[in-house]
Amino acid sequence: GESVGLHLPTLSVQEGDNSIINCAYSNSASDYFIWYKQESGKGPQFIIDIRSNMDKRQGQRVTVLLNKTVKHLSLQIAATQPGDSAVYFCAEIPDSNYQLIWGAGTKLIIKP
Amino acid sequence: NAGVMQNPRHLVRRRGQEARLRCSPVKGHSHVYWYRQLPEEGLKFMVYLQKENIIDESGMPKERFSAEFPKEGPSILRIQQVVRGDSAAYFCASSRGTSGRVTGELFFGEGSRLTVL
Repeated sequence: GESVGLHLPTLSVQEGDNSIINCAYSNSASDYFIWYKQESGKGPQFIIDIRSNMDKRQGQRVTVLLNKTVKHLSLQIAATQPGDSAVYFCAEIPDSNYQLIWGAGTKLIIKP
Repeated sequence: NAGVMQNPRHLVRRRGQEARLRCSPVKGHSHVYWYRQLPEEGLKFMVYLQKENIIDESGMPKERFSAEFPKEGPSILRIQQVVRGDSAAYFCASSRGTSGRVTGELFFGEGSRLTVL
């Protein structure tokens, strides 16, 4: 259930544009999903979560979309800023479980 | 990162030495999780503890690694006879988790970076 050792996929986005980060999850029994942001040299930081009875949830400048049919999760960041530069991880939590199953992560680079 | 304190932030050890990593959870949190992260990779679950109990250590190697979360004091991740492959960042997270179920209320520390020479 843990991520496989791979070079991180990278997404380069112009400052001010919207960013869309995608994640495929593995367990159809997962009923809770979290997006984390990890800046260089720091620990993961909670961004937004969503439960499986929803398909969309909005926060401040961020939106998470959940497509259970294809087991796909996305994080949309509006008006991307330099401070959004980080690695973004999705995590799934199977029903009645306490373990986070982490996705591989996507490195977001902001171009000035 | 709501107050999870890890120390040391950086630790250098020679092969065969012991490494002790400490984690003080957010005040009031009684659930602690340890994760390991290699560069450019996601976090790998190691162990889940509640006060004085190990709930799940399935992600932790059986040899050389141990963890505790005593009634008083921080949680400790201990690595004996370190090898180069133990070099990684070790993250601790805590939650109030009254049911043991992870929710978004899971707060991570800044990590301890172990380098084995």
